[in-house]
Amino acid sequence: DQQVKQNSPSLSVQEGRISILNCDYTNSMFDYFLWYKKYPAEGPTFLISISSIKDKNEDGRFTVFLNKSAKHLSLHIVPSQPGDSAVYFCAALWEAVGNEKLTFGTGTRLTIIP
Amino acid sequence: DAGITQSPRHKVTETGTPVTLRCHQTENHRYMYWYRQDPGHGLRLIHYSYGVKDTDKGEVSDGYSVSRSKTEDFLLTLESATSSQTSVYFCAISESQLSNTGELFFGEGSRLTVL
Repeated sequence: DQQVKQNSPSLSVQEGRISILNCDYTNSMFDYFLWYKKYPAEGPTFLISISSIKDKNEDGRFTVFLNKSAKHLSLHIVPSQPGDSAVYFCAALWEAVGNEKLTFGTGTRLTIIP
Repeated sequence: DAGITQSPRHKVTETGTPVTLRCHQTENHRYMYWYRQDPGHGLRLIHYSYGVKDTDKGEVSDGYSVSRSKTEDFLLTLESATSSQTSVYFCAISESQLSNTGELFFGEGSRLTVL
């Protein structure tokens, strides 16, 4: 049962425009949400996170929005740049004592068109 | 960049043979993890370690074993490889428990093909 879902396997966006990547989750016990970015033949790298007690976190061109009532998370990249072309994984952390668990979504491949 | 080295980076083997993947870190981080990445499944945790000789199972641990005899090395062993274990394997490390930030540092991956 996939607790973290990324329903769009791929997304293409024009350079300079806004990229919006979406993620849905089913477990209301998740405490943190994270986005990782992955280039081909490399390991994922941490991009940005948000605590479940917040609804927005911003870091430069990247902003993550959390809608707890809808159990929905989104990553906004603006303006989009060619170097943003990568696979983006949404992840959720459950802080159950002694059993912290990070659950990943299936990923969305973002392609920025020059 | 976090100092994480995975070896081998690529391996092709036959069904039924044993395989060991090695993860070596130079960061002296306490926590180490093995994930596998498969299309349609994202990253799934196989095993993790919270210290030397301290390991525990993840969500897809069947068919895998791990060992950690030194802080810097975390080995993943497939005792008898099967085609379903064809995957890309990622090692990850974290300085503290996931509950602090959830941030992991990943290695570059090891692509395993089981024929």
